[in-house]
Amino acid sequence: AQRVTQPEKLLSVFKGAPVELKCNYSYSGSPELFWYVQYSRQRLQLLLRHISRESIKGFTADLNKGETSFHLKKPFAQEEDSAMYYCALSGLGNEKLTFGTGTRLTIIP
Amino acid sequence: GAVVSQHPSRVICKSGTSVKIECRSLDFQATTMFWYRQFPKQSLMLMATSNEGSKATYEQGVEKDKFLINHASLTLSTLTVTSAHPEDSSFYICSAKEGEDGYTFGSGTRLTVV
Repeated sequence: AQRVTQPEKLLSVFKGAPVELKCNYSYSGSPELFWYVQYSRQRLQLLLRHISRESIKGFTADLNKGETSFHLKKPFAQEEDSAMYYCALSGLGNEKLTFGTGTRLTIIP
Repeated sequence: GAVVSQHPSRVICKSGTSVKIECRSLDFQATTMFWYRQFPKQSLMLMATSNEGSKATYEQGVEKDKFLINHASLTLSTLTVTSAHPEDSSFYICSAKEGEDGYTFGSGTRLTVV
């Protein structure tokens, strides 16, 4: 079974401070991990995926198979980062995407 | 990038009627599309996987006779909520995967059954 856990429902961070949104997963095979973001009144959009190893909007996430984690990080938060963030997982050869419960990030000016 | 169009964005219907929601891939072909349901302040729950030219695969606990899925072409999947009841009121979202580019989501449909 696939499972994604985001322990924080809400997270408030001051502008300019570092941000870390936690994500842990459970999957017996080789996982593919994603972070999706949903800004106010907009559709869900891909922020980054672990296989591309990109940094998008200053965010990075490293897959740690030992700790089964895929935490999202940004060194300096910006006000426009306020949004809902979802961690998601799919398995190799399995296109089903399983979402975590999401973390609402609020950046305090 | 890949775009998925979902219509309508909002619909209000009377209890007992049926509602159809369309999901189109605008600039790519999608053999597989996915339908999610999202309750207020909760995560997206996968309802079913829509497969072009074959029957949809439903997740456990999802009534296939209530949520009819049709994927008749490579660019269109439809979800019909049959005999809708107030408890079916929710936010429904479709998505499709384009090659290796990951999943693209529609803008969602807010269904209110009165």
